[in-house]
Amino acid sequence: QVQFVQSGAEMKKPGASVKVSCKASGYTFIDYTIHWLRQAPGQRLEWMGWIDVDNGATKYSQRFRGRVTMTWDRSASTSYMDLTSLRSEDTAVYFCTRTRGDYGSSDYWGQGTLVTVSS
Amino acid sequence: DIVMTQSPDSLAVSLGERTTINCKSSQSVLYISNNKNYLAWYQQKPGQPPKLLIHWASTRESGVPDRFSASGSGTDFTLTISSMQAEDVAIYYCQQYYNVPFTFGGGTKIEMK
Repeated sequence: QVQFVQSGAEMKKPGASVKVSCKASGYTFIDYTIHWLRQAPGQRLEWMGWIDVDNGATKYSQRFRGRVTMTWDRSASTSYMDLTSLRSEDTAVYFCTRTRGDYGSSDYWGQGTLVTVSS
Repeated sequence: DIVMTQSPDSLAVSLGERTTINCKSSQSVLYISNNKNYLAWYQQKPGQPPKLLIHWASTRESGVPDRFSASGSGTDFTLTISSMQAEDVAIYYCQQYYNVPFTFGGGTKIEMK
């Protein structure tokens, strides 16, 4: 069955960076695009960007451009999301999901990774 | 960015009752060349990731009970639960995937009356 397993919760200080991993299983990794989204406490879901794990092409939300980098390891069926210059407003649960094609709905989600930014 | 506006923010529904949630986009999410609305509905329960219910505005995802249905085109969409069940207590979100950045509505919290 399709499954995404994300790395564990992180506690970071303002200005630091965080790298969240997302390991996929149960399907052919390169057949789907991986998206990263986040949900701050009490806030709506926010899309951060995607990575086409077949060719490495990325598309980032303007809100995160310059601070976010999405990478992948095809052999490990794993995607990574790196967010730099963290501030308190980045405290959120971060999710990875997949879509068929770049523009699609997210049919499977990771369990989420809580990133807390606090001094 | 396309702004997604949901209404109501919350509602309380009795067991077996029919209920409808609305979602409006600030611009059309209908792609003329393939006649598809790039609109999805998700259900989220506390401590869980969202679950895809509906994609392409009206196509139920595999395994989703048929009491969930959705309709709409262009800028106005609805999600209907035909007979409310206890397990349907959740927050429901609409999402457009027509334009980057993909954007979500603010959510509609459905509780049991």
